[in-house]
Amino acid sequence: KQEVTQIPAALSVPEGENLVLNCSFTDSAIYNLQWFRQDPGKGLTSLLLIQSSQREQTSGRLNASLDKSSGRSTLYIAASQPGDSATYLCAVNSGNTPLVFGKGTRLSVIA
Amino acid sequence: SAVISQKPSRDICQRGTSLTIQCQVDSQVTMMFWYRQQPGQSLTLIATANQGSEATYESGFVIDKFPISRPNLTFSTLTVSNMSPEDSSIYLCSVSAGAFTGELFFGEGSRLTVL
Repeated sequence: KQEVTQIPAALSVPEGENLVLNCSFTDSAIYNLQWFRQDPGKGLTSLLLIQSSQREQTSGRLNASLDKSSGRSTLYIAASQPGDSATYLCAVNSGNTPLVFGKGTRLSVIA
Repeated sequence: SAVISQKPSRDICQRGTSLTIQCQVDSQVTMMFWYRQQPGQSLTLIATANQGSEATYESGFVIDKFPISRPNLTFSTLTVSNMSPEDSSIYLCSVSAGAFTGELFFGEGSRLTVL
């Protein structure tokens, strides 16, 4: 059974810092991994999707990497801003089964 | 990407009542998913709704409690029946860009509080 863990559970950084969020999964037989952002009480916004054959994806200040063999993904946020404050979720897609979500990392960027 | 609209965005309900949540997508999609997010928790899939067939429910969720309709390729509803305070959650509609392996897109969610 696939399990997804996100570390840390919460993170507070000053504005301008670069930061890394971690996601690990137990079963490396995945199709893809997706990172989402969730603002309080709201839905999820898709940030990046990495296919199992890819090593990384970039969008603006965000870079997500995937090491399937070790069961790890990282989300790198460059030059963090207060508007980046949100909960970041990773979800693993193993094919014809529901996505498995981590519990998220709650990020606070302090001005 | 897909644009997904959910109604209501939030509601306060009385114990024992039922509420229907609507999900409208701006394009035709084969598969729609309904998730629940309980306070402080991550997302749990309730069911997969396919047009023209019965919804497929995950373990722990039953049709009598969460009936789902999928009348066409752009619309679905989820009803939360006979609500109790334990049903207080955010309910999220989601669509996939391609079957089970495509990118997933979410609506804004419906935040239900049951008193």
